[in-house]
Amino acid sequence: QVQLQESGPGLVKPSQTLSLTCTVSGGSIRSGGYYWTWIRQHPGKGLEWIGYIYDSGSTSYNPSLKSRVTISIDTSKNQFSLDLSSLTAADTAVYYCAREPLLWGQGTLVTVSS
Amino acid sequence: EIVLTQSPGTLSLSPGERATLSCRASQSVTFNFLAWYQQKPGQAPKVLIYGASSRATGIPDRFSGSGSGTDFTLTISRLEPEDFAVYYCQQYGSSPRTFGQGTKVEIK
Repeated sequence: QVQLQESGPGLVKPSQTLSLTCTVSGGSIRSGGYYWTWIRQHPGKGLEWIGYIYDSGSTSYNPSLKSRVTISIDTSKNQFSLDLSSLTAADTAVYYCAREPLLWGQGTLVTVSS
Repeated sequence: EIVLTQSPGTLSLSPGERATLSCRASQSVTFNFLAWYQQKPGQAPKVLIYGASSRATGIPDRFSGSGSGTDFTLTISRLEPEDFAVYYCQQYGSSPRTFGQGTKVEIK
């Protein structure tokens, strides 16, 4: 069955750019009609939608993060990625990738600290 | 942006009791694309319900979703010990997608 796995640095410095990758296994990222999504959860808090990339390559982002977020897709590697720039401590969170709405990765903790 | 308001914030119940969780949207959810998730400490959210009323694969039938438009409900018919967790609703019918703030179901 299809599975998602996030990967990336666990610790990033303030002002830097976070780059996370979600690898899709057990199926093709090119199979049609899915919204490949990033979501985060601050420690002890609720869920925050970051954005998605659709099969066609179109994207949609959370307005509160839009100026700092880029989501891209690499069909040759069966992956999609999140870039989040100008990091601050407020970006410390568990980051999840998902194939909306039914399939989620296990999440990866990212800490922003010098 | 659609704001989802979940109530109550905390639900204190005993095993075997019925749980009723509410999710209200500030405007109609397109195609009733509303999902419910369960989250336990240290774990990723697990989808229970999608499309307002369809159970995800492997979800016990004690979980049911209902509602349309702006009012949605998740019902757990008889609470099992493993059901005590935090529950979130999410609308995925329009962008930006949004989540409710969560309802914690705790053991009374």
